[in-house]
Amino acid sequence: RKEVEQDPGPFNVPEGATVAFNCTYSNSASQSFFWYRQDCRKEPKLLMSVYSSGNEDGRFTAQLNRASQYISLLIRDSKLSDSATYLCVVNMRGGFQKLVFGTGTRLLVSP
Amino acid sequence: GAVVSQHPSWVICKSGTSVKIECRSLDFQATTMFWYRQFPKQSLMLMATSNEGSKATYEQGVEKDKFLINHASLTLSTLTVTSAHPEDSSFYICSATPPSGTSTDTQYFGPGTRLTVL
Repeated sequence: RKEVEQDPGPFNVPEGATVAFNCTYSNSASQSFFWYRQDCRKEPKLLMSVYSSGNEDGRFTAQLNRASQYISLLIRDSKLSDSATYLCVVNMRGGFQKLVFGTGTRLLVSP
Repeated sequence: GAVVSQHPSWVICKSGTSVKIECRSLDFQATTMFWYRQFPKQSLMLMATSNEGSKATYEQGVEKDKFLINHASLTLSTLTVTSAHPEDSSFYICSATPPSGTSTDTQYFGPGTRLTVL
């Protein structure tokens, strides 16, 4: 089983749509969780950290369910500029980092 | 936000040659830098963790004699791919974390180096 699993997509949605991505992780001792965004042939950029209480940043909402080892990202009112690959990332070690990346979910927002 | 640069952004080399990639933290001191590799349509894979002034810690399956890492200063880490072969062609990305006391969970990524070995 992969350490971090994501649906690769692509998710094709129209502008203004709401879209949700899911991610599961295998190591119950994982310490922290993130969503990164990666544009084609570019480096990943941090979108948001994910907290147990859930957190929101504008149109983006992230949720963590430790019992189910499940992370989600919700994007509301999709924009064309949201088209990218969204990477679920888990820090497997406390303190000293080891980030494990999912393969990413590709989102295509069309006019 | 913190800025990490990489040089070169792309390189093409002949099989058997060595290639050096530089990773610099431009506006902060990074005691720890990370080197990743990403093959097409795959996720980033951590290759090694580089600590300033000490030997790098390599992930399982990564040959330390082939991928030489030097972290000589708090703002510079280098990755040298020795005797490169076509299967080493990949996107190499470094990242750095700010000093402890700040957000140590956050890694800032460089723009990546695309290596093509002919």
